Amino acid sequence: QSVLTQPPSISAAPGQKVTISCSGSSSNIGSNYVAWYQQLPGTAPRLLIYNTNDRPSGIPDRFSGSKSGTSATLGITGLHTGDEADYYCGTWDSSLSVVVFGGGTKLTVL
Amino acid sequence: QVQLQQWGAGLLKPSETLSLTCAVYGGSLNTNYWTWIRQSPGKGLEWIGEINHSGGTTYNPSLQSRVTISVDTSKNQFSLNLNSLTAADTAVYYCARLPAAITYFFDSWGQGTLVTVSS
Repeated sequence: QSVLTQPPSISAAPGQKVTISCSGSSSNIGSNYVAWYQQLPGTAPRLLIYNTNDRPSGIPDRFSGSKSGTSATLGITGLHTGDEADYYCGTWDSSLSVVVFGGGTKLTVL
Repeated sequence: QVQLQQWGAGLLKPSETLSLTCAVYGGSLNTNYWTWIRQSPGKGLEWIGEINHSGGTTYNPSLQSRVTISVDTSKNQFSLNLNSLTAADTAVYYCARLPAAITYFFDSWGQGTLVTVSS
């Protein structure tokens, strides 16, 4: 059972937009920055979003992050089949004194 | 662009000690923090702990009694030891860079090492 809650799966058509939610609490998302990672099959996670809404160099602006209260959201526009992957949110939990992650969301581009 | 390359034994028996090493290329251990994260089907991503260049460490409380992370700045490498292994420690282990222990995100990752604990 992950500390952060994500939907297990989501699907959308090519060219469409999706949002992936990440729900936490006041001790994690509510008081700390959020990061998002993309994990393609058989590879290590790749940083997509840091500091809740910043993109590392090389990450296209199709990917965006936001936060409201104790929930964070990853948005992906202009979907293509190469976006099929598992997506994870993560942040620091000030009460547990650990980095916590969501259980991951599997994105399928139909 | 920092690159991390990791290695270590992949098949271990219960009660043995896991030892993994991660080499840093294109960057120095004297900056940033360096971490270990594992991923198992049953528990998803789990943060193990971190170390800075001077050897200061922070560990996940759930693993603290069994884990040691160390650094060798002369080789630009850092290592993970996890003792008293059980089947529950079976996972893919990743090393990763943590740019600053203020806002927790990991921007460079090793390729991962599958560690299986089985008798």
